[in-house]
Amino acid sequence: QSALTQPPSASGSPGQSVTISCTGTSSDVGGYNYVSWYQQHPGKAPKLMIYEVSKRPSGVPDRFSGSKSGNTASLTVSGLQAEDEADYYCSSYAGSINSVFGTGTKVTVL
Amino acid sequence: QVQLQESGPGLVKPSETLSLTCGVSGYSISSGYYWGWIRQPPGKGLEWIGSMFHSGSNYYNPSLKSRVTISVDTSNNQFSLRLTSVTAADTAVYYCARRRGNYFFDYWGQGTLVTVSS
Repeated sequence: QSALTQPPSASGSPGQSVTISCTGTSSDVGGYNYVSWYQQHPGKAPKLMIYEVSKRPSGVPDRFSGSKSGNTASLTVSGLQAEDEADYYCSSYAGSINSVFGTGTKVTVL
Repeated sequence: QVQLQESGPGLVKPSETLSLTCGVSGYSISSGYYWGWIRQPPGKGLEWIGSMFHSGSNYYNPSLKSRVTISVDTSNNQFSLRLTSVTAADTAVYYCARRRGNYFFDYWGQGTLVTVSS
């Protein structure tokens, strides 16, 4: 089972929006609505930002939103803030494989 | 508030067995949910190792399945990871986490670095 494909980097100025893609196959992203997104600051544990494609846990700002089309899921961060600068990872249920993570995207706030 | 904390040796010799424990507070493991391990080699991405239901059903990453065992100790509210025959490629920060039924991890430990070296 290969890792889900994410762009290595993305960037935006404060106040702008950035969208990160997460591409898999019909055996994972495309086959189930079980995509989640995690934010990871340097030296810290990942933090759940989105689950079940588009749901936000309590306490996550509504600037973070998720969607899916076919085999590609997306995370959009609107109104970028300095504290949004971090690595972001997607994850998906993958049937018998259970869970697979994406390759990760470093978001830079210019 | 649910909290998880990894513990175990930070250095393991090649060919030996890596053993880590995750202590859970704020929630009883026997009440439900899955409990899992994820690792992150230095400077690289996350890799799912395996997950275990509180009653004993296990799911392992096929690439590690022959070397991995995850077990639960409900009496001490903790769960453990054993990875046998380690090599330098197993050097990573190891995280324990709670996995919800719909395959997302909502609570994570702070992570512990395990280095495989002689």
